[in-house]
Amino acid sequence: EEQLLESGGGLVQPGGSLRLSCAASGFTFSNYAMTWVRQAPGKGLEWVSGISGSGDTTYYADSVKGRFTISRDNSKDTLYLQMNNLRGEDTAVYYCAKREGVLDVWGQGTTVTVSS
Amino acid sequence: DIQMTQSPSTLSASVGDRVTITCRASQSISSWLAWYQQKPGKAPKLLIYKASSLETGVPSSFSGSGSGTEFTLTISSLQPDDFATYYCQQYNSYPRTFGQGTKVEIK
Repeated sequence: EEQLLESGGGLVQPGGSLRLSCAASGFTFSNYAMTWVRQAPGKGLEWVSGISGSGDTTYYADSVKGRFTISRDNSKDTLYLQMNNLRGEDTAVYYCAKREGVLDVWGQGTTVTVSS
Repeated sequence: DIQMTQSPSTLSASVGDRVTITCRASQSISSWLAWYQQKPGKAPKLLIYKASSLETGVPSSFSGSGSGTEFTLTISSLQPDDFATYYCQQYNSYPRTFGQGTKVEIK
């Protein structure tokens, strides 16, 4: 069974940093692009970032460009999202998802709260 | 960026009803559109891709149609498990964008 498991969320002060991880299992991780999507409390889904299977190509939403960095370690079947200079509006549940167009497998999400 | 607009935002319906949700793109996205279902506290689930292709394991009561800028998701006979929020998403170009969601409530 294809599975994704996010971790690394928590409470952080404005201006702080956090690194999210997403451990993949049940499929050949390096064959697939991956995506991060977030959902603020009570709001809709927002695409955050995507990365190719090799990690060579990355994409970002304007709202996070220059602050967030997506990366992957194919030897560990793990996707990352390094989040710097966090703001209150970054408070959300962060999901990782398999593929970069059609998101066919999703993790359960990890919650990031940015507050002083 | 391509804007995706869903209507209605909320839909009240009864079990057995036929339900249609519309998604409009601000520019042509060909058929590069997906639909997701999300229940409270859960991750979204893929229902439809490439506008009309049913994801494996999704009931045939769900169907999608459209191309270009206008798309629909239809539930032919609403079941208790179908009460949820539905999102469209374009993957024609970056940044990928979602509609604002349509909540299907019990009437």
